[in-house]
Amino acid sequence: EAGVTQFPSHSVIEKGQTVTLRCDPISGHDNLYWYRRVMGKEIKFLLHFVKESKQDESGMPNNRFLAERTGGTYSTLKVQPAELEDSGVYFCASSLWDSGNEQFFGPGTRLTVL
Amino acid sequence: AQSVAQPEDQVNVAEGNPLTVKCTYSVSGNPYLFWYVQYPNRGLQFLLKYITGDNLVKGSYGFEAEFNKSQTSFHLKKPSALVSDSALYFCAVRDRHGGYQKVTFGIGTKLQVIP
Repeated sequence: EAGVTQFPSHSVIEKGQTVTLRCDPISGHDNLYWYRRVMGKEIKFLLHFVKESKQDESGMPNNRFLAERTGGTYSTLKVQPAELEDSGVYFCASSLWDSGNEQFFGPGTRLTVL
Repeated sequence: AQSVAQPEDQVNVAEGNPLTVKCTYSVSGNPYLFWYVQYPNRGLQFLLKYITGDNLVKGSYGFEAEFNKSQTSFHLKKPSALVSDSALYFCAVRDRHGGYQKVTFGIGTKLQVIP
């Protein structure tokens, strides 16, 4: 069974540019989550999709971040325009059920904004 | 609001010795508790979880964790550490009270097993 995949693995952009991160969850997993970890800090929740609907987007930092999950399959997270503080590792995770189920994580995308 | 504390940034242990990685949590109701491990350049891997039932939970790679409600702790343990256990360990909690709640992660503890 293929795991959660994320693309790209690394991205280096300049302040003000746009970046789009992609996540492909495990096939059949309705729940998809985005997290971010800034160096040395906790993994912070960004948002949660159930199929194509946003269940919870309370962790999205501001309106420069836009997440979509067209058709309830893969998801994209766009940052436009990027700021220096957006640097970090963005993780995607998926799970079959929500609640007490463990989440399966992708390898992350390391975003560096210069 | 729910929270997780991992009081140690790093834990060093000699190979073959028992290891403990500490985690305490705060929730308003009863918790779901999780441990994940992250190896270099990899995503987080699920190790074990506490949902209900026995307070001692056994997981992957010989790890176990004990849920202690009175101390609000969920420390990760292993009887005999391996060099290959060296990684970053994250504790996570989810409150079961009040409907939907997101998962909250701790800051992570780096485990270094010394040969």
